[in-house]
Amino acid sequence: QQQVKQSPQSLIVQKGGISIINCAYENTAFDYFPWYQQFPGKGPALLIAIRPDVSEKKEGRFTISFNKSAKQFSLHIMDSQPGDSATYFCAASGLSGGGADGLTFGKGTHLIIQP
Amino acid sequence: ETGVTQSPTHLIKTRGQQVTLRCSSQSGHNTVSWYQQALGQGPQFIFQYYREEENGRGNFPPRFSGLQFPNYSSELNVNALELDDSALYLCASSLGRSPLRGTEAFFGQGTRLTVV
Repeated sequence: QQQVKQSPQSLIVQKGGISIINCAYENTAFDYFPWYQQFPGKGPALLIAIRPDVSEKKEGRFTISFNKSAKQFSLHIMDSQPGDSATYFCAASGLSGGGADGLTFGKGTHLIIQP
Repeated sequence: ETGVTQSPTHLIKTRGQQVTLRCSSQSGHNTVSWYQQALGQGPQFIFQYYREEENGRGNFPPRFSGLQFPNYSSELNVNALELDDSALYLCASSLGRSPLRGTEAFFGQGTRLTVV
């Protein structure tokens, strides 16, 4: 049962363009939404995260937009660079029955920035 | 440099065998979580340890077990290995009992397990 749906599966963007990746979640108990970047052979690295009390958060070229009513959130990468080429994962976390927060990840988006 | 180190980096095991993977958490972090990442998929939460006790578990069978030591390092043990256990196993450390609530979780580079 996939609780976080991510799209697109792959994305090609020209250098300098805007990369947009979307996620939707089902579990209304989720209250923490991070985005991770993963390069081949490496573990995921946290890019930016948001809580549902704000609709947007910006850090440098990375922006998360959050729509609580629609249960959707998205990552925007402005001025995309070839070094941004990686796999991006959205994730969500909230209190489980046991109280421990495990992250639920989307399936990932393979982003390629063309020079 | 995240400070989370995992060993070994690669491992090949035969179906039915047992395996132990190790993780050293970042200095000062008292919580460790383990994830399984199949090829082309997102990581899946296996379980979490806080101060040497398991305090959360994902949808994985009991043959996946773990330990956390007084220095907060951790082990993941998998018994009776199956072909589908082939994956990248990731360890993440953080500070706090609910490690992902507003605090950053640092991932290691993972252990690539191949079951043949």
